[in-house]
Amino acid sequence: DAKTTQPPSMDCAEGRAANLPCNHSTISGNEYVYWYRQIHSQGPQYIIHGLKNNETNEMASLIITEDRKSSTLILPHATLRDTAVYYCIVSIGGATNKLIFGTGTLLAVQP
Amino acid sequence: EAGVVQSPRYKIIEKKQPVAFWCNPISGHNTLYWYLQNLGQGPELLIRYENEEAVDDSQLPKDRFSAERLKGVDSTLKIQPAELGDSAVYLCASSPEGSSYNEQFFGPGTRLTVL
Repeated sequence: DAKTTQPPSMDCAEGRAANLPCNHSTISGNEYVYWYRQIHSQGPQYIIHGLKNNETNEMASLIITEDRKSSTLILPHATLRDTAVYYCIVSIGGATNKLIFGTGTLLAVQP
Repeated sequence: EAGVVQSPRYKIIEKKQPVAFWCNPISGHNTLYWYLQNLGQGPELLIRYENEEAVDDSQLPKDRFSAERLKGVDSTLKIQPAELGDSAVYLCASSPEGSSYNEQFFGPGTRLTVL
């Protein structure tokens, strides 16, 4: 079973920031928080990951609470092409460890 | 660089027929994964290869599913015989050797419909 809880769907206006929450209250000390997204009819795409500190890359920012029990993925200026299912996953680092996908959050960016 | 290539993109077969899916991972990626994705659900791992060795096939239904990765590059996933419940998207992913984090690169998937 997935170790994370996400809202099933969210809306966001184009050009505004999209803030996607994720609860992972049972996360272990050596588990990372990963975010992937899946655009319709495509395979999932890695976005970002973090352990304790907040992270930012060209796609998004990841804010992890101090107790690590929840996190928020931020898309600073959402576009229509960001409409996708966003998956929050906790996993030990390294390619040998399993990614367990839940059902994710369907983000619909509205024009 | 080229991404993960899968073929065919779509396949329609009748139940009890065999079917095979092919995956070509990103060049140099030694880890290869096959996932199953049912409608409205997230992907579920079927099997993971390290080079040509299947190191995690605990979720692969071995009575009808088989996979191989000869020479540690391309991989084939087979179902024989197919059942109605096998209708789903089959995703292949790969990741590079020695990666310190779990970034997997996914192909577009093969959508299987069993009639």
